[in-house]
Amino acid sequence: AQTVTQSQPEMSVQEAETVTLSCTYDTSESDYYLFWYKQPPSRQMILVIRQEAYKQQNATENRFSVNFQKAAKSFSLKISDSQLGDAAMYFCAHSQAYSGAGSYQLTFGKGTKLSVIP
Amino acid sequence: DTGVSQNPRHKITKRGQNVTFRCDPISEHNRLYWYRQTLGQGPEFLTYFQNEAQLEKSRLLSDRFSAERPKGSFSTLEIQRTEQGDSAMYLCASSSPDRNTEAFFGQGTRLTVV
Repeated sequence: AQTVTQSQPEMSVQEAETVTLSCTYDTSESDYYLFWYKQPPSRQMILVIRQEAYKQQNATENRFSVNFQKAAKSFSLKISDSQLGDAAMYFCAHSQAYSGAGSYQLTFGKGTKLSVIP
Repeated sequence: DTGVSQNPRHKITKRGQNVTFRCDPISEHNRLYWYRQTLGQGPEFLTYFQNEAQLEKSRLLSDRFSAERPKGSFSTLEIQRTEQGDSAMYLCASSSPDRNTEAFFGQGTRLTVV
């Protein structure tokens, strides 16, 4: 079974500064996907960034980037130039890689609550 | 299409009553997932449909829970004889055939059992 651990229940960052959220995972599979999802208060969860395990290059999406360390099973999220709208719960998630009709169900961590200080 | 839609947004029910939630996925999405999220936790997988076929169920889905997706369109999740432990946010997500790892979530249905 896969597990995802987020060891930081809460984090805060000054507006315009950079913050890094940590995530570790455990899986016996060699091919899988890792994700960061953002859940603003009372709003739906949205995908921030996705990493495919077979790709060595770290994924980036505008101000969001990851540090994927496959051997260490670590997957951290860096948010640069933090904005007030970045305040939310952030969930790290894992999915096995399937083909055909296989489920890409997500295994989530407990989340990190990010506050952005004006 | 405005995304994944879930109804109702909130439901308060008495213990022992049955409740049903509805999820309307994004129209071209063939994969549909139900998750449950309790306070302070990340979402936990409940069940998965590809088109109308329910292909996977979590052990969290006790026999009081049933899910359907007739005609591969909307889906319903029914909980019979609700218990206080069923109080949670129930999330629906869908994904398309060509980007099946990218799940789009609805806003969820918050169930409170009193």
